[in-house]
Amino acid sequence: QSVLTQPPSASGPPGQRVTISCSGSSSNIGSNSVNWYQQLPGTGPKLLIYSNDQRPSGVPDRFSGSKSGTSASLAISGLQSDDEADYYCAAWDDSLNGVVFGGGTMLTVL
Amino acid sequence: EVQLVESGGGLVQPGGSLRLSCAASGFTLFRYNMNWVRQAPGKGLEWVSYIGSSNIYYADSVKGRFTISRDNAKNSLFLQMNSLRAEDTAVYYCARDYPSGWFSFDYWGQGTLVTVSS
Repeated sequence: QSVLTQPPSASGPPGQRVTISCSGSSSNIGSNSVNWYQQLPGTGPKLLIYSNDQRPSGVPDRFSGSKSGTSASLAISGLQSDDEADYYCAAWDDSLNGVVFGGGTMLTVL
Repeated sequence: EVQLVESGGGLVQPGGSLRLSCAASGFTLFRYNMNWVRQAPGKGLEWVSYIGSSNIYYADSVKGRFTISRDNAKNSLFLQMNSLRAEDTAVYYCARDYPSGWFSFDYWGQGTLVTVSS
């Protein structure tokens, strides 16, 4: 069981908007910023969102992040087939003194 | 261009040791905090260890068995893994800390596979 909880799967048709949730606790999301990663099949992860809602250079603005209390969300608008991937949330945990990841959400574009 | 290239993975028996390397190019390693993250076959990401300018952290699952280090002259990061167990089987990635974030990783290597089996 992962410290951060994500739905195992999500889906949507091309062009739609999909949201992936990430639930944690006061020691991780509640007190530290959340990062999101995209992992395409057979590749290493890519930083998608950092500090809850910031996009690194080169990440399209179709991807957005938000945080409220001990939960966070990743929203992907204008779904494209290239968005099919696994998505992970992560945050520093003050109790564990380490980074914790969610279990990952597999996104399918129908 | 920033690149991270891991090496040193392979097949090792339970209880054995392995040393992973991560060669960095395109940036000066000692100016950045670095991490190791692993992914068991078909599973999710698991953070393993972090090395900063003055702090080192380990996941509870590897504490006392793994040691992270770096060689600034070689611009390389290492992970010494001892007392290996079957559950350590995974692809191991080195990842650079993104300076603008908080334990967010902006560059990742391609990974090196470690298989612990008799």
